Amino acid sequence: AQSVTQLGSHVSVSEGALVLLRCNYSSSVPPYLFWYVQYPNQGLQLLLKYTTGATLVKGINGFEAEFKKSETSFHLTKPSAHMSDAAEYFCAVNTGGFKTIFGAGTRLFVKA
Amino acid sequence: DTEVTQTPKHLVMGMTNKKSLKCEQHMGHRAMYWYKQKAKKPPELMFVYSYEKLSINESVPSRFSPECPNSSLLNLHLHALQPEDSALYLCASSTERSTHDTQYFGPGTRLTVL
Repeated sequence: AQSVTQLGSHVSVSEGALVLLRCNYSSSVPPYLFWYVQYPNQGLQLLLKYTTGATLVKGINGFEAEFKKSETSFHLTKPSAHMSDAAEYFCAVNTGGFKTIFGAGTRLFVKA
Repeated sequence: DTEVTQTPKHLVMGMTNKKSLKCEQHMGHRAMYWYKQKAKKPPELMFVYSYEKLSINESVPSRFSPECPNSSLLNLHLHALQPEDSALYLCASSTERSTHDTQYFGPGTRLTVL
């Protein structure tokens, strides 16, 4: 069975600091991995996804994530946080089929 | 146009009411989804339609009844709901080219059951 674990339900960074949101997955087959962002009272927006090929994936808004098979991780990073990055972030996995499993989410706070 | 629209934005209903949520997309996507999201929780899959046919029903209570009248529209009919059904209901769509294609989400309908 596939599963996703996001380490830390809340992460707080200062504006301009590095953002690191952690995601580990469990899958018996090669996974497809996603990061979504959700702003208050809005739907989810795709930040980036890994399917096959290059393990460093670049997304929108300056975010990137690296797929590390040996560590079963897909951590999300951004070199310099902006106030507008404050939101809920979900890591998700799909191993084929229509069902995507979402992690519990990490709320990112950005301090001025 | 990469937009999924949902109406209404907010809905308050009593436990004896019948109401419907509507979702629309014009991206030519042939897979459409309903999710339920409780506060501070991830989305939970409810239903998936593929080519207007119900493909997945995640053991959702019968008081929720989905309908896909055509390839652009997805409805969720609500009847005799319970207060615990209060949540954000999200619609999403994706292509049928690959099951790991990006899902595009609508803004959701905030449902309150009194």
